[in-house]
Amino acid sequence: GQQLNQSPQSMFIQEGEDVSMNCTSSSIFNTWLWYKQEPGEGPVLLIALYKAGELTSNGRLTAQFGITRKDSFLNISASIPSDVGIYFCAGHFGNEKLTFGTGTRLTIIP
Amino acid sequence: NAGVTQTPKFRVLKTGQSMTLLCAQDMNHEYMYWYRQDPGMGLRLIHYSVGEGTTAKGEVPDGYNVSRLKKQNFLLGLESAAPSQTSVYFCASSPPGPQRDTQYFGPGTRLTVL
Repeated sequence: GQQLNQSPQSMFIQEGEDVSMNCTSSSIFNTWLWYKQEPGEGPVLLIALYKAGELTSNGRLTAQFGITRKDSFLNISASIPSDVGIYFCAGHFGNEKLTFGTGTRLTIIP
Repeated sequence: NAGVTQTPKFRVLKTGQSMTLLCAQDMNHEYMYWYRQDPGMGLRLIHYSVGEGTTAKGEVPDGYNVSRLKKQNFLLGLESAAPSQTSVYFCASSPPGPQRDTQYFGPGTRLTVL
């Protein structure tokens, strides 16, 4: 099956800093999704990407579908305390089911 | 629009007991999914459905059964619960067509099997 490597596993940053995280796949995807999960809640869809090279923003969040179709990036600008949570990437190709990364845990230091 | 809802939110079972988790969505989505989430393992697909009356196995189906009698509901059953089924269970749904992989999740059910 497909494998997704998400990095970093955890991040400790100061409020106001920018955040970058990425996912790489062992094979190509034709859809990349980014989710955020807060404690005790289900994952919430942040950004969906459907084309190689696509760059999409949602407020302070920007995600890109890598040109090789094997990677995707999520950036958060000017982080605030409510950005705390676990960020998951997910990818899909063909008839395969959605594959999820293991998550990046974001902690913000006031 | 409530989106995807799950009941119950929490449940404690004894080994060997049975239970059913209910998922409901009001977005008229064709596809529905059940996942379990365990520490360090991410989300793993248990079963899914591509439409009313259909179900299919996912990555970790053993010990679970599902039914999709109505389009808006997807039930996950545990016939004889085991401690290894202690987990957080998430239901998700997605629309048909080119965005069918864009899944929307419920709030989860935390199940403990003693």
